Amino acid sequence: EVQLVESGGGLVQPGGSLRLSCAASGFTFSDYWMHWVRQAPGKGLVWVSRINTDESITNYADSVKGRFTISRDNAKNTLYLQMNSLISEDTAVYYCARAGSYRCDYWGQGTLVTVSS
Amino acid sequence: QSALTQPRSVSGSPGQSVTISCTGTSSDVGGYNYVSWYQQHPGKAPKLMIYDVSKRPSGVPDRFSGSKSGNTASLTISGLQAEDEADYYCCSYAGGFYVFGTGTKVTVL
Repeated sequence: EVQLVESGGGLVQPGGSLRLSCAASGFTFSDYWMHWVRQAPGKGLVWVSRINTDESITNYADSVKGRFTISRDNAKNTLYLQMNSLISEDTAVYYCARAGSYRCDYWGQGTLVTVSS
Repeated sequence: QSALTQPRSVSGSPGQSVTISCTGTSSDVGGYNYVSWYQQHPGKAPKLMIYDVSKRPSGVPDRFSGSKSGNTASLTISGLQAEDEADYYCCSYAGGFYVFGTGTKVTVL
């Protein structure tokens, strides 16, 4: 059974940093691209970033480019999102998702990030 | 990277059909046959319902179908059931990144 478990969320002050993790199991993690998608409270889904299997390709939404960094450790079956220079608009539940071909075929339950002073 | 446009809400009685539209541009919906649809119940993670415009993953009822014409994709739910009440989001590949729709709340009357 495919499982994705996010962690690392919490309360952080504006300008601060946070690193999210997504532990994967039930499939060969190194064979799949991965995504991060976020959802602000009461709002819709917003695509954040994706990474290919060997980290040679990464893409970002304009809203996070230069502030967020996606990475992965295939030996640990873990996906990461390093978030720097956080602003209030980054407050959201962050989901990791496994990338099927041009789709997100499995999702984690999400981790809440709150940016507030 | 503007969100795709969906109606805020649609509703129907059990057994009826509803259709949700998803309008983008020639750079996203119109440019690729990589539109997917996700169902999200309150407090839950999204679930893939349709991919590649009209394909259904294993386990998704055939009441759910997808199509596309030009810059607009559509999700149709036939034979509406109480458990279909949820938020639905479209998503399109846009050449190196992805864009989601604004979301549609489906209400079963």
